[in-house]
Amino acid sequence: AQSVTQLGSHVSVSEGALVLLRCNYSSSVPPYLFWYVQYPNQGLQLLLKYTTGATLVKGINGFEAEFKKSETSFHLTKPSAHMSDAAEYFCAVSAQHRGSTLGRLYFGRGTQLTVWP
Amino acid sequence: EPEVTQTPSHQVTQMGQEVILRCVPISNHLYFYWYRQILGQKVEFLVSFYNNEISEKSEIFDDQFSVERPDGSNFTLKIRSTKLEDSAMYFCASSVGVLGKLFFGSGTQLSVL
Repeated sequence: AQSVTQLGSHVSVSEGALVLLRCNYSSSVPPYLFWYVQYPNQGLQLLLKYTTGATLVKGINGFEAEFKKSETSFHLTKPSAHMSDAAEYFCAVSAQHRGSTLGRLYFGRGTQLTVWP
Repeated sequence: EPEVTQTPSHQVTQMGQEVILRCVPISNHLYFYWYRQILGQKVEFLVSFYNNEISEKSEIFDDQFSVERPDGSNFTLKIRSTKLEDSAMYFCASSVGVLGKLFFGSGTQLSVL
């Protein structure tokens, strides 16, 4: 089975500071990993995804994430936070396993990012 | 950018009543999904739908739930007899392919009283 743990339900950073949102996953087969962002009153929007190949994945809005198999992690980073980055961020995993379709995502609980001026 | 549209944004119903949540996926997408998020909990998969049939459903998706694509554009989730614990935000999503980017709607907040 697949699962995701996001450490820290709330993260606060100052504008211009590094953003680091942590995600660890559990999967019995090679995982596909995703980060989604949700702004208030909007749906979940894909930031980036890892399927195969290069383990450092770049996404929209300057975010990137690195797949580390040995650490079962897929942490999301951004070198310099902007006020507009304030939102809730969800890590998710999917895998082809026992007939489970790749569209079935297992989400973490989410991390609310606050950016202070 | 194209978007997935969900209606209504809020739905209040009495326990035991039937509700239908509506979604209009992106027009060229082939895979459709419903997810839900109970307040304070994780976003959970309910069901996926492809080629006019359910391709996968979770243990949450019991006989009280059904999905339909009645007219080639809408994708609906029906809860036959709502319970208090069905109160949640329900998200519809669609994708072009099975590995494709999922596009989510902004959700329907269902409150069962």
